Amino acid sequence: EPEVTQTPSHQVTQMGQEVILRCVPISNHLYFYWYRQILGQKVEFLVSFYNNEISEKSEIFDDQFSVERPDGSNFTLKIRSTKLEDSAMYFCASKRETGKRELFFGEGSRLTVL
Amino acid sequence: AQRVTQPEKLLSVFKGAPVELKCNYSYSGSPELFWYVQYSRQRLQLLLRHISRESIKGFTADLNKGETSFHLKKPFAQEEDSAMYYCALSGGETGNQFYFGTGTSLTVIP
Repeated sequence: EPEVTQTPSHQVTQMGQEVILRCVPISNHLYFYWYRQILGQKVEFLVSFYNNEISEKSEIFDDQFSVERPDGSNFTLKIRSTKLEDSAMYFCASKRETGKRELFFGEGSRLTVL
Repeated sequence: AQRVTQPEKLLSVFKGAPVELKCNYSYSGSPELFWYVQYSRQRLQLLLRHISRESIKGFTADLNKGETSFHLKKPFAQEEDSAMYYCALSGGETGNQFYFGTGTSLTVIP
């Protein structure tokens, strides 16, 4: 069964460094998402992406964040200058169709900012 | 504004006992409701959705529009049900926005 895959599974970085989290969505899916889960807190929406552009983003997704689909398969989340409070689990998800359908999640990338 | 509320952060039940995980929502349109489960060190995965009206792993959930609830129930809990459970709502203008509750950690005591 096809799955959403994410790399790395865990990344440790120094505050102020740039981080890129990578996701390979399911191949025939059209909608892509990033969610964040700070330890002990809820899953928070960051951004959705469709047709090579951001379709919706939350207040969390400020100028330090960006997303890209550079090659038709990878979907990346870049954090330009990491802060301590960026430490979280970042989940990528994808969805096949428009409207109310199931999201398929990756296993997450744990980011630790020191 | 759309919101999903799961009032219980932690829930413990004995094996074989009934379990109910509560979820309430507020939404101005017609939402689609889901339950996602996250077993230890695994990804979030869909457990069930209200549209399907199905039973998965013995769990059921009925959408009650009057009470704006979508509680998850199972008559006899099993140890393997221990996990984190998230209620989610799909809505927004395009139906492509998903909102998650804060999650309930279920522990089934042997």
